[in-house]
Amino acid sequence: QKEVEQNSGPLSVPEGAIASLNCTYSDRGSQSFFWYRQYSGKSPELIMFIYSNGDKEDGRFTAQLNKASHYVSLLIRDSQPSDSATYLCALHDYKLSFGAGTTVTVRA
Amino acid sequence: DAMVIQNPRYQVTQFGKPVTLSCSQTLNHNVMYWYQQKSSQAPKLLFHYYDKDFNNEADTPDNFQSRRPNTSFCFLDIRSPGLGDAAMYLCATSRELGVTDTQYFGPGTRLTVL
Repeated sequence: QKEVEQNSGPLSVPEGAIASLNCTYSDRGSQSFFWYRQYSGKSPELIMFIYSNGDKEDGRFTAQLNKASHYVSLLIRDSQPSDSATYLCALHDYKLSFGAGTTVTVRA
Repeated sequence: DAMVIQNPRYQVTQFGKPVTLSCSQTLNHNVMYWYQQKSSQAPKLLFHYYDKDFNNEADTPDNFQSRRPNTSFCFLDIRSPGLGDAAMYLCATSRELGVTDTQYFGPGTRLTVL
């Protein structure tokens, strides 16, 4: 079983809608979860991370963590065409173990 | 601006010809990582340094080596590149190894093997 399973997409949403991205993971004890955005041909750039159960909001992004269900998600509100990218979920327990990524396309 | 710099951005080498990729950082972070990312795949950790301590991932091929001569620089050496080593190589740094320590990525070096 992979450490991090990410819904593979692709995901297409209209501009202004909410994009929902999900990951499940194999528990490694103490860990946090990072969300990165990666544009084609570029390196990953940090969106946000979450360590505690519940929700964490940063601008248009909300990360949600449910440790009992081994589930982590990222919501993108008011999606913009510039949000079109691949989103990587990563479990961090000293190293980053990435999911396969979800490609999001925001339609203008 | 503090940052992670990788050189070159694009590297072309021949099958079996050794190649060295470079990473430098102005963040003064203790930890430096090398990831390999093949086309349409997630980044995969090859190894990391905590200060001068080298830590190899169990499944990293022997063909890949690394050096960290000082805090600022880290090099990835591929001794005999094969066609399967064509990938984007990403350097990242973090202040410490804690689970909430963010890893900051450089722009990457895209390696082509002919």
